[in-house]
Amino acid sequence: EVQLVESGGGLVKPGGSLRLSCAASGFIFSSYSMNWVRQAPGKGLEWVSSISSGSSYIYYADSVKGRFTVTRDNAKNSLYLQMSSLRAEDTAIYYCARGGVGSTTLWYLDLWGRGTLVTVSS
Amino acid sequence: DIVMTQSPDSLAVSLGERATINCKSSQSVLYSSDNKNYLAWYRQKPGQPPKLLIYWASTRESGVPDRFSGSGSGTDFTLTISSLQAEDVAVYYCQQYYRSPETFGQGTKVEIK
Repeated sequence: EVQLVESGGGLVKPGGSLRLSCAASGFIFSSYSMNWVRQAPGKGLEWVSSISSGSSYIYYADSVKGRFTVTRDNAKNSLYLQMSSLRAEDTAIYYCARGGVGSTTLWYLDLWGRGTLVTVSS
Repeated sequence: DIVMTQSPDSLAVSLGERATINCKSSQSVLYSSDNKNYLAWYRQKPGQPPKLLIYWASTRESGVPDRFSGSGSGTDFTLTISSLQAEDVAVYYCQQYYRSPETFGQGTKVEIK
């Protein structure tokens, strides 16, 4: 089955760190760019980061630049988001989503995971 | 950043009637080299992740019912549900993927009248 499964969310104090994972299956993970998109409780969607298939191109939203780091391990069919210096406004469901084939990161998102909730609170 | 503005914020439509959602981008998302509009539509049902409905502004994703259609070019786009069904109750988002950051509209909530 073609799917994405996120994990690693939880409750963390402001200023803390957390690492999210996204396990891909059912497709050739190494061929696709991947993305993180978040959704604060009751709010809309916010693109967070994208990484090309071979990790050559990486982009971040200004709101997370310098605090979040996206990586991938194509041998393990996995995508990661290392989050540090977390703030209350980072509280959200974090979705991983599949983009286009190859080096392009500018593509529609055709496969989404169910998300993992990150809560930043003291 | 390209700002995506949807209208209306919410709408209530009777079952079987047409629902129309508009999306306006602050800059054109039409790429001249391939003549494609880098615009997608997603549906998010309560408690679920978003699902891709339409890409390249008017191409329906595989498995999406043909009551969903997308139109428009440049800066003005429309998602039309030709005959609203109960399962279409959701929030709908447009997204541009023309330029990073790939921005979403604020969402349009569709309900049954």
